[in-house]
Amino acid sequence: AQTVTQSQPEMSVQEAETVTLSCTYDTSENNYYLFWYKQPPSRQMILVIRQEAYKQQNATENRFSVNFQKAAKSFSLKISDSQLGDTAMYFCAFTSYTGAGSYQLTFGKGTKLSVIP
Amino acid sequence: DSGVTQTPKHLITATGQRVTLRCSPRSGDLSVYWYQQSLDQGLQFLIQYYNGEERAKGNILERFSAQQFPDLHSELNLSSLELGDSALYFCASSAMTGNRMNTEAFFGQGTRLTVV
Repeated sequence: AQTVTQSQPEMSVQEAETVTLSCTYDTSENNYYLFWYKQPPSRQMILVIRQEAYKQQNATENRFSVNFQKAAKSFSLKISDSQLGDTAMYFCAFTSYTGAGSYQLTFGKGTKLSVIP
Repeated sequence: DSGVTQTPKHLITATGQRVTLRCSPRSGDLSVYWYQQSLDQGLQFLIQYYNGEERAKGNILERFSAQQFPDLHSELNLSSLELGDSALYFCASSAMTGNRMNTEAFFGQGTRLTVV
């Protein structure tokens, strides 16, 4: 079974500082994708960044970047120059093809990030 | 706007009742997922449909059922409702086809169900 673990239930960061959110996963698959989703108080789920497991290069999207360590099954999210609008719940997610058109998209329990002015 | 439409946005009903939640995926997306998010909890995977057929099942209760219609919209039916079923129910769709995952899942705004 695929599992995703986020060990930090809550974190806080000063505005303009950098923060790293941790995520580990467990799978026996070799081909998979990893995602970070953001859920602000509006409860909308918004994709922040994604990483293909076959790519060694870490994904970046503006102020967001990941540190993908495939052997360690680790996928952390770094937010640089934190802004008040980054305050949200962040979910790490994992998906792989399990055959016959079936995909299991599994989420971690989330990390609640607060950006402090 | 993600392109995924869920109706209704809010639903208040009594215990023991039955409700139907509706989801219209993004145009062209064949895969539909349903998730349950209880207060301050993560997303619990319920079920996935691909082009009208059930493909994966998560921790979905027997009181819950779903289907995907030929026009690809999906409905989640919740029956014999209990207070603990109060949650935010998300639908997501993706263009994942065959064995190629070429895109992420796009989420609707969710249906907030309150059972009283």
